[in-house]
Amino acid sequence: QQQVRQSPQSLTVWEGETAILNCSYENSAFDYFPWYQQFPGEGPALLIAIRSVSDKKEDGRFTIFFNKREKKLSLHITDSQPGDSATYFCAASAQGTGSKLSFGKGAKLTVSP
Amino acid sequence: GALVYQYPRRTICKSGTSMRMECQAVGFQATSVAWYRQSPQKTFELIALSTVNSAIKYEQNFTQEKFPISHPNLSFSSMTVLNAYLEDRGLYLCGALTGGQNTLYFGAGTRLSVL
Repeated sequence: QQQVRQSPQSLTVWEGETAILNCSYENSAFDYFPWYQQFPGEGPALLIAIRSVSDKKEDGRFTIFFNKREKKLSLHITDSQPGDSATYFCAASAQGTGSKLSFGKGAKLTVSP
Repeated sequence: GALVYQYPRRTICKSGTSMRMECQAVGFQATSVAWYRQSPQKTFELIALSTVNSAIKYEQNFTQEKFPISHPNLSFSSMTVLNAYLEDRGLYLCGALTGGQNTLYFGAGTRLSVL
């Protein structure tokens, strides 16, 4: 059973545009939501994370918008760069189980110059 | 920042043989280490969670007999894939968690190919 779902599976944007990656979850106990960025041949790198007590987390060009009531969140990448082309994974964990992350299937982002 | 090193980065083994992979946390104390496998289809499976001074907890479909793990101190962990077969192929990721934070930092992974 997939507890974390991502959409779209792939997305192509032009350089300078805003890319929006969506994520939804099932488990109401989830309270921590990290996004990981993975390049081919590499491990996933933590990009940005949000806790369920917040509805927005911003770090440079990356922003997470979180809607607890709807169990949805999204990652916005503003001013997208070709170097942002990677696969992005939304993950979730419940309090006290930080190591036990449930991952989405990933979204492949391509930023065209 | 937190760094997690895994080695080897890639390994190829013959079907039925075993291989050991290692994970080193640099710059922080890894109170918990989670071993994941990322399939060729990119999905993640949690193999086991190892916390210092606690028993290692294996997830369903993964056993100590198949994936023995050692976590002797706060900076090092190793896992062996015993009797590897085609279905064991994938990218094995070590994720380290430091006490007081809920953030899992991954290494670059060990990619296992089985012939």
